[in-house]
Amino acid sequence: NAGVTQTPKFQVLKTGQSMTLQCAQDMNHNSMYWYRQDPGMGLRLIYYSASEGTTDKGEVPNGYNVSRLNKREFSLRLESAAPSQTSVYFCASSEQRGGADTQYFGPGTRLTVL
Amino acid sequence: AQSVTQLGSHVSVSEGALVLLRCNYSSSVPPYLFWYVQYPNQGLQLLLKYTSAATLVKGINGFEAEFKKSETSFHLTKPSAHMSDAAEYFCAVSLYNTDKLIFGTGTRLQVFP
Repeated sequence: NAGVTQTPKFQVLKTGQSMTLQCAQDMNHNSMYWYRQDPGMGLRLIYYSASEGTTDKGEVPNGYNVSRLNKREFSLRLESAAPSQTSVYFCASSEQRGGADTQYFGPGTRLTVL
Repeated sequence: AQSVTQLGSHVSVSEGALVLLRCNYSSSVPPYLFWYVQYPNQGLQLLLKYTSAATLVKGINGFEAEFKKSETSFHLTKPSAHMSDAAEYFCAVSLYNTDKLIFGTGTRLQVFP
């Protein structure tokens, strides 16, 4: 039982390049989330998916797209990376029972955009 | 709108001293409140959560938090700090009837020998 896994762990991009961050969970959770963490700003929700086939914007969705490929996998895509997207990205999942569920986090992807 | 405020971005204590990390929330409905911990270069993990069952919530590693509605607070405490408690701590509130979390800006705890 690996929990939430993310790939890659580290990535350096040049401005304008694209990339996809991968996330998978093996806990049969319904909901999945993408956050970014920046110093002094806590974690901010980029996108979330309440169930397979549905996605919705969070607090900071601009410049990102997501795909809920199946129940296990939720990917985050940067189409044209910008230096402002330099951050640590976390994927999380939860059962989705209405407000009290624990979110389980992956180890993060540290992204630098030059 | 729901939000949380964590007072103090950095807290330093000596080993064996009381740990107190402050969190105040804003919510128009009864909130669900969480404390998560992040050790260096790791993801977040749940310390404890308040789901209205009991106002004093005990979590892992000797931490506890008390929900005080009158003060709109959910402060995290531990009677005696250990070096291994050095980490960043996040308070969070869930949006009503969803699992979406709104996080505070975090408090970095340093523990000195």
